[in-house]
Amino acid sequence: SSELTQDPAVSVALGQTVRITCQGDSLRNYYASWYQQKPGQAPVLVIYGKNNRPSGIPDRFSGSSSGNTDSLTITGAQAEDEADYYCNSRDSSGNQVLFGGGTKLTVL
Amino acid sequence: QVQLVQSGSELKKPGASVKVSCKASGYTFTKFSMNWVRQAPGQGLEWMGWINTNTGKPTYAQGFTGRFVFSLDTSVSTAYLQINSLKAEDTAVYYCAREVGTPEDHWGQGTLVTVSS
Repeated sequence: SSELTQDPAVSVALGQTVRITCQGDSLRNYYASWYQQKPGQAPVLVIYGKNNRPSGIPDRFSGSSSGNTDSLTITGAQAEDEADYYCNSRDSSGNQVLFGGGTKLTVL
Repeated sequence: QVQLVQSGSELKKPGASVKVSCKASGYTFTKFSMNWVRQAPGQGLEWMGWINTNTGKPTYAQGFTGRFVFSLDTSVSTAYLQINSLKAEDTAVYYCAREVGTPEDHWGQGTLVTVSS
């Protein structure tokens, strides 16, 4: 399969924990990376590899993997975390890059 | 610091061509691949392909063969995306992005291409 599937929308109460998932066959071989995108801005990488955060990304963002599903967890969601989140990985052949359809996160 | 600076917004008529530039600075241009990503209005991210900045060899994703051309001018550390025979459905923001999904990930600010008669 050459697709990554995400839930279109997720909501979380301020200060609570939310998990955003990404499902795809290629995730059995490759970890997902995760991007945050706010309106009118370029995507920003928040998680890469098994569970790595680029410099400047708060430690409330974490990643995990199980079988064909990778997850992005935000522990103690803040208002500024409201954004679209995209997972990204290789396809099963390793030759192509895939993006999930994106999850719109609303912080209530 | 690493910067990818893209050219400005474009308004084109159907059938025309457009060339978007992505000028890199703050690193050795030929050490890292350059990807192109499309985002149609209100839609998600779509990987268009990448170009090996060392060899100049492009790789195009399915759906981006034929009218789309990736090129380089290494003398000015710049990658280019050319779209020929523009259609209304090519209206989108186009991003250049270095080494997508890796610790070397950096994105340009995006270039809006609008195709309208």
